[in-house]
Amino acid sequence: EIVLTQSPGTLSVSPGERATLSCKTSQNVYTTYLAWYQQRPGQAPRLLIYGTSSRATGIPDRFSGSGSGTDFTLTISRLEPEDFAVYFCQQYGTSPWTFGQGTKVEIK
Amino acid sequence: QVQLVESGGGVVQPGGSLRLSCGASGFTFNTFTIHWVRQAPGKGLEWVAVISSDGSNKHYADSVKGRFTISRDNSKNTLYLEMTNLGTEDTALYFCARGLSTGWYSAVQYWGQGTLVTVSS
Repeated sequence: EIVLTQSPGTLSVSPGERATLSCKTSQNVYTTYLAWYQQRPGQAPRLLIYGTSSRATGIPDRFSGSGSGTDFTLTISRLEPEDFAVYFCQQYGTSPWTFGQGTKVEIK
Repeated sequence: QVQLVESGGGVVQPGGSLRLSCGASGFTFNTFTIHWVRQAPGKGLEWVAVISSDGSNKHYADSVKGRFTISRDNSKNTLYLEMTNLGTEDTALYFCARGLSTGWYSAVQYWGQGTLVTVSS
């Protein structure tokens, strides 16, 4: 099983600032198979990024993804109030599909 | 628009069984791989199981293998999760989820709102 480790656990950021979230995998993951999701309280997850860097439909361009091998990053360039949420990375190239434990982005 | 609606959750005693359903609409159900993903209260996401578009291929998380069975009825546009020998660790909100594309290995784009399973005596 590929283990995904996200850091930090909690990120305190002011609105308008940049947030950088990390996802490290225990084995190489093809860039095709790495995704990021946002989950707001009481809501289902929402797909933000797939294939490491492709934005899903309707996702604003302040969200960007990068990385390769075992190190992947989600960057939110300028945090808007609605971006304060929990973010999960996921690999979907090898069964079992696995998620990271999440990073909570909170208002500083 | 794509809709996934889960049902069948509830309170069950340890060792008990439950069957979840997920009704789908707004897309050609029999062309997409579908997943079950769960989330324990206050915790992260845990992938549970996946089934191919024609139901011939199924994979499970180790934590549920041998206890849970995923299935689908393409004539009814419905996905199922049969859960047996439930333990308190299975308490969670269960989501059904559809891939972004019709391929086996696809990110999950569409999610239902979930159905809550509580295992408690």
